[in-house]
Amino acid sequence: NFMLTQPHSVSESPGKTVTISCTGSSGSIASNYVQWYQQRPGSAPTTVIYEDNQRPSGVPDRFSGSIDSSSNSASLTISGLKTEDEADYYCQSYDSSSWVFGGGTKLTVL
Amino acid sequence: QLQLQESGPGLVKPSETLSLTCTVSGGSISSSSYYWGWIRQPPGKGLEWIGSIYYSGSTYYNPSLKSRVTISVDTSKNQFSLKLSSVTAADTAVYYCATITDSSWLQYWGQGTLVTVSS
Repeated sequence: NFMLTQPHSVSESPGKTVTISCTGSSGSIASNYVQWYQQRPGSAPTTVIYEDNQRPSGVPDRFSGSIDSSSNSASLTISGLKTEDEADYYCQSYDSSSWVFGGGTKLTVL
Repeated sequence: QLQLQESGPGLVKPSETLSLTCTVSGGSISSSSYYWGWIRQPPGKGLEWIGSIYYSGSTYYNPSLKSRVTISVDTSKNQFSLKLSSVTAADTAVYYCATITDSSWLQYWGQGTLVTVSS
């Protein structure tokens, strides 16, 4: 089965830039769109990136998404980190009639 | 903008069937624009896709849960439902319903409902 692998945790200082990776286990991650969700404790996930690199209305342009076919991975980059960005982030895609989530990355902004 | 709301028992006994309903407002569940999905999150753990249904009735299930899951649509009530049979403590989780676009984006989410499996 297709899997998406994320680092368990990342940390960075306010004002800096952080990148969270999401690596596909097989095939080509570029074959289907990748989404990124932010989840704060006690809340439902919300979208920060959809269709690889699109930002929903209201998501600041500090959030960006990209695909690297050579490493079969997707990345979420957050620039100008703010303490409010501290949350869990999940990548998600689709393969063979299944919707798949990465294991999630806890972002600490300290 | 679509709004989704999960409902159902918050406590289910082991070996019984978990049943949840998602009520959709702000749009029709018969729309061809979306799939309708269920996702769960055990306490302190990550998100797990459970299954999805299209308005036509086509269903798609997580292979790891397929033998225990049934998802259905009730167009007259603008709702879709989840049934998970033979539950154990491992099925304790927050259960979310969501819309899924044809680009696989889980666009709208319900607030989630905690279901605890315990005797």
